[in-house]
Amino acid sequence: NAGVTQTPKFRVLKTGQSMTLLCAQDMNHEYMYWYRQDPGMGLRLIHYSVGEGTTAKGEVPDGYNVSRLKKQNFLLGLESAAPSQTSVYFCASSLTGAIYGYTFGSGTRLTVV
Amino acid sequence: RKEVEQDPGPFNVPEGATVAFNCTYSNSASQSFFWYRQDCRKEPKLLMSVYSSGNEDGRFTAQLNRASQYISLLIRDSKLSDSATYLCVVPRGTGNQFYFGTGTSLTVIP
Repeated sequence: NAGVTQTPKFRVLKTGQSMTLLCAQDMNHEYMYWYRQDPGMGLRLIHYSVGEGTTAKGEVPDGYNVSRLKKQNFLLGLESAAPSQTSVYFCASSLTGAIYGYTFGSGTRLTVV
Repeated sequence: RKEVEQDPGPFNVPEGATVAFNCTYSNSASQSFFWYRQDCRKEPKLLMSVYSSGNEDGRFTAQLNRASQYISLLIRDSKLSDSATYLCVVPRGTGNQFYFGTGTSLTVIP
């Protein structure tokens, strides 16, 4: 009964490096989301997906790309990491898109130096 | 006014106390609201939903004041385990996107 699993849990990148964060859910949820959480800013939506093969921009999409090739997986990519992308990243999934149905992953702590 | 605003606290209260947090929102058309709880270095978890005037679940009561555009969370008989950050969440437009508040920190002291 894994729910939403994020990998990796921690990562340190150098400026300019690239990486991919993986979010996997085993609940057959249609909707998946990527948020970032910064001190004093609250959670902000980066990108989201309403189903396999679909993606859409959220509130702060610049510098990130996403893919949803399989229903259970939602990947967040950083092509050229910047210190401003230092944050805690949370993935969430939902069956219907209603927030009361959100299940969050445990987060990925990313530091860009 | 920001889309959603919360008093960051911290609120430090003794065990058994009653504490209340407020959250103001700017979109008068919003219909549903939520309180999430987030423990230190953990993911947010849904605490309560508020769809009309209010909602009660044990020691927790959430209320909505549409005229003044705020929601509140009341915790009675505080427990040590209530120590966490409480996030207010409001809809963004009519889609399935939401604004998260910055959170209110609560510490319950023995």
